[in-house]
Parts: sequence; C-alpha cells; structure tokens
Amino acid sequence: AQKVTQAQTEISVVEKEDVTLDCVYETRDTTYYLFWYKQPPSGELVFLIRRNSFDEQNEISGRYSWNFQKSTSSFNFTITASQVVDSAVYFCALKGGVLTGGGNKLTFGTGTQLKVEL
Amino acid sequence: SQTIHQWPATLVQPVGSPLSLECTVEGTSNPNLYWYRQAAGRGLQLLFYSVGIGQISSEVPQNLSASRPQDRQFILSSKKLLLSDSGFYLCAWGRELQETQYFGPGTRLLVL
Repeated sequence: AQKVTQAQTEISVVEKEDVTLDCVYETRDTTYYLFWYKQPPSGELVFLIRRNSFDEQNEISGRYSWNFQKSTSSFNFTITASQVVDSAVYFCALKGGVLTGGGNKLTFGTGTQLKVEL
Repeated sequence: SQTIHQWPATLVQPVGSPLSLECTVEGTSNPNLYWYRQAAGRGLQLLFYSVGIGQISSEVPQNLSASRPQDRQFILSSKKLLLSDSGFYLCAWGRELQETQYFGPGTRLLVL
C-alpha cells in the first residue's frame, strides 16, 4: 500500500521567514511520481510540482524549492521569504505504479496548514 | 488551454434527497477523470475515476455513483443522501497514467 505522511499539521511564520514543509512517503514501486498541491481558502487545489522517482535533482522555481531524497523517502518543500499570499494548506501526494495498484490513484497526505503573518 | 468546471459551487440538501454534481473539461479530448471527496480534517479520498466514456472504476463502496455520458463530462450522483455525504467534492482531469491531475474549483455539499 502507498502512504504519504505530512507530520506538520500547522505552521505559523512571520512574513519573510523561510519555511520547510515535510513530506515522507512509502511505496513498493520502483517507479512513482510525487506531487505538491496548494489549497488556498477558496478550496481549489493548485498544482505546484511533479517529480519522477528516477529524477532526484532538486528544483527551484522562484521562491519555491523542492528537495527529493529517495534514501530517506522524503520530498520536502521550502518557501523562501514567505509572503502572506502563501498562506494555504499544502498537500504532498504520491502516484505509484502496478505493484501497488496506484496507476490511477493519487494518495494524499493530510496536508499542512501554513499561516504567514505580517 | 484546458479548463475544468464544476457546478454547483455550493449545495445544501436534506437527508434522503437525490444528488447530481457535474464536472466538465474543456480544451482536451479523452481525459482521465476523477472524483475526490475532502471531508473535514482535510484528507482527500478518491471516489471514482474514468478512463473513457461509460468506463467507471469505484474506489470506495458507498451510496454514491458516477457516470460519464460524454467524453469530457463526469457526473457524481446519489439516490438518497446521507449526513456523512457532506463534504467538499473535487473533480480532476489528467491524460496519461503518469500524468498530473488538475483540479476543478469544487462543490461544497452540506447534507442536513
């Protein structure tokens, strides 16, 4: 079975602080895909990034960066110089393959509520 | 570009009443379509997915059903709503098995 753990339920930071959201996953598949989504108060899930299991290169997009480490089964997300508009719930998700029957299924973590205050 | 629509945005229904939620996708053909439910506490649960017209796979047995009458239309239904059906329903689309899923704006359902 697949599992995604986001141990941080809620994080509060002051604007301009850096913040890291943790994500740990479990899967028996050798090929899998990891995702991060943002859910602002409006409710819509906004896609942020997808990583393939065979590509451990870290990625940076503006103030966002992602650290994928297969050795620790982690896919952490860092926001640099946080802003109030970053306040949202952030979800990590996993899509596995044939071994776990996850070909069409996204397994989500329970999300981390990020609050950025002035 | 592709867009995904859901309606209604909000719905309040009495227990035992029927339900029909609609999702449509524009700008793509033969998408994979998905229904998720997000209950209080934030967890997202896959309810149904479809890889083509008339093809529905159910992930969780319940009193809900799904149909795909057209290529880019996905409908979530119930004959009799339960209190436990309250939640936030999200539709999503994607293309290949490895694809990213893109979500619609969601429907908030409150069953009283």
